[in-house]
Amino acid sequence: QKEVEQDPGPLSVPEGAIVSLNCTYSNSAFQYFMWYRQYSRKGPELLMYTYSSGNKEDGRFTAQVDKSSKYISLFIRDSQPSDSATYLCAMTRDDKIIFGKGTRLHILP
Amino acid sequence: DTGVSQNPRHKITKRGQNVTFRCDPISEHNRLYWYRQTLGQGPEFLTYFQNEAQLEKSRLLSDRFSAERPKGSFSTLEIQRTEQGDSAMYLCASSTDRGYNQPQHFGDGTRLSIL
Repeated sequence: QKEVEQDPGPLSVPEGAIVSLNCTYSNSAFQYFMWYRQYSRKGPELLMYTYSSGNKEDGRFTAQVDKSSKYISLFIRDSQPSDSATYLCAMTRDDKIIFGKGTRLHILP
Repeated sequence: DTGVSQNPRHKITKRGQNVTFRCDPISEHNRLYWYRQTLGQGPEFLTYFQNEAQLEKSRLLSDRFSAERPKGSFSTLEIQRTEQGDSAMYLCASSTDRGYNQPQHFGDGTRLSIL
């Protein structure tokens, strides 16, 4: 079993819809939880960074962490075509990031 | 605030050749990380530096790979005797050292293609 599991998609949703992206993990030692966005042929861009269980909101993005279930989510409200990208969940352990495979998201105009 | 800079953006080489990549981190960041990303996968950790000291190396980093950060600023990653399996995107990231697990900021990577 991989330490971090993420459905690779692709996920296609119409413009304006709410997007829900999820990851599960197996290692209780993970300390910080992040979401990165990666456009084609670009490096990952940090979107959300959180430590505790609960919700963290930043504009149209909400990150949710449930440590008891080892489950994290990213919600995107009012999705735009420019949100089309690969979204990587990530977790830190001993100063290293462990990434999920990434979910390819397509927002249909 | 300039971000993490990586050069070259794309490197094409023949199998068996040596290649070297360069990473310039964000200026106030003391920690520098190298990752490798293959198609359809998330980045995988290779190694990291605290200033000029290389603190950890992944099992993915075979003897053909070597990384340096001689003055605690830029870093180089060299691959000797390249193999087909080395084809990947090589990503560099940097962070501050004010505590553990600081957020890491990535460059746009060097894409290596082995002919």
